[in-house]
Amino acid sequence: GENVEQHPSTLSVQEGDSAVIKCTYSDSASNYFPWYKQELGKGPQLIIDIRSNVGEKKDQRIAVTLNKTAKHFSLHITETQPEDSAVYFCAASMGWTGANNLFFGTGTRLTVIP
Amino acid sequence: EPEVTQTPSHQVTQMGQEVILRCVPISNHLYFYWYRQILGQKVEFLVSFYNNEISEKSEIFDDQFSVERPDGSNFTLKIRSTKLEDSAMYFCASSTTTYEQYFGPGTRLTVT
Repeated sequence: GENVEQHPSTLSVQEGDSAVIKCTYSDSASNYFPWYKQELGKGPQLIIDIRSNVGEKKDQRIAVTLNKTAKHFSLHITETQPEDSAVYFCAASMGWTGANNLFFGTGTRLTVIP
Repeated sequence: EPEVTQTPSHQVTQMGQEVILRCVPISNHLYFYWYRQILGQKVEFLVSFYNNEISEKSEIFDDQFSVERPDGSNFTLKIRSTKLEDSAMYFCASSTTTYEQYFGPGTRLTVT
């Protein structure tokens, strides 16, 4: 089955700096890559996603890039703010097949230092 | 903004007891899922449900687990005879298509 690896496990940045989280996946059939933000005591919140027919997607301060050849995708957060502090999870699925269960990475704890 | 809701937020049960975790998916969503997260580990897929039947399940989802959509709004996960290793955070999710799954706040299940 699909295996998603995520790095780093923890990341501390100064407020205003950028943060980058990287994930790799193993199954070339995966075609959908969402990112979730999880705050303490809450469920994962979908923040951005990308499908395999697109190389990059941006939404305000967050962007995701996908390299299908290398089977890796990354989350970029610019101008970080203290409220960006949370655990971020990447995931992969084969949504187009109907087998749309998400395979998650191990998570990255992002701390933004004011 | 519509949200997935889950009850209870925390359930404590004794080993061997049956538990039912409840979810109310977003109203116009067609696909429903259960995931679990053991403390400090990855979020793991359990089961997906579409058109009133299971569409996919993981190896974790054995005969002790079952799901049901008893009416037009609720989606439940039943564990027949809980084990210590079932202690985890259980998340319900829903989606309109096979993409963009929205998660509930979770139910923390503690088996003693």
